[in-house]
Amino acid sequence: ETGVTQSPTHLIKTRGQQVTLRCSSQSGHNTVSWYQQALGQGPQFIFQYYREEENGRGNFPPRFSGLQFPNYSSELNVNALELDDSALYLCASSRQGGRATDTQYFGPGTRLTVL
Amino acid sequence: AQSVTQLGSHVSVSEGALVLLRCNYSSSVPPYLFWYVQYPNQGLQLLLKYTTGATLVKGINGFEAEFKKSETSFHLTKPSAHMSDAAEYFCAVSLNTGFQKLVFGTGTRLLVSP
Repeated sequence: ETGVTQSPTHLIKTRGQQVTLRCSSQSGHNTVSWYQQALGQGPQFIFQYYREEENGRGNFPPRFSGLQFPNYSSELNVNALELDDSALYLCASSRQGGRATDTQYFGPGTRLTVL
Repeated sequence: AQSVTQLGSHVSVSEGALVLLRCNYSSSVPPYLFWYVQYPNQGLQLLLKYTTGATLVKGINGFEAEFKKSETSFHLTKPSAHMSDAAEYFCAVSLNTGFQKLVFGTGTRLLVSP
């Protein structure tokens, strides 16, 4: 069974640019969540996608957006990058449509650096 | 609002010693609680979770945690530390408001010395 994969591993962008991060969910999982982990902090919830629709969002501005595809893979897009967007971005997949008892399986993350 | 507090950003133990990582939560409803471990340059791996039922939960790698409602705690323990346990540990509470949102603590880095 293939786990959650993310690409790219590392990315360097300059302020004002746009970035797209990608995530492939674990086989059999229909729900994808994205988290931002700043250095020395715990992950912060960005949003969750279930069956190609956003079904929940954290306290992040609209320039953070996403997509989920029919195969349940997902993208995170960030527009107008700011220095504070530098972080590790984690994708997690789960199988039960976002039930509170579900287990989220995390990918290795994408390290984004904004200069 | 639900939140998680992890006391101690760093915990140091000797190999073979007891590991105790503290987690307290605040929740207005019965919580669902998780412990995840993060090794350097990797994502998070689930150690264990509490949903309902038995309050002592056993996880992988010899870790266990006990849900104590009266103390609003979910501390993680391991009887004997191993060098390979050195990592960052995160406690999280799960919210269900139509979707699952994990709210994480700030993490505790476990250091294991020979």
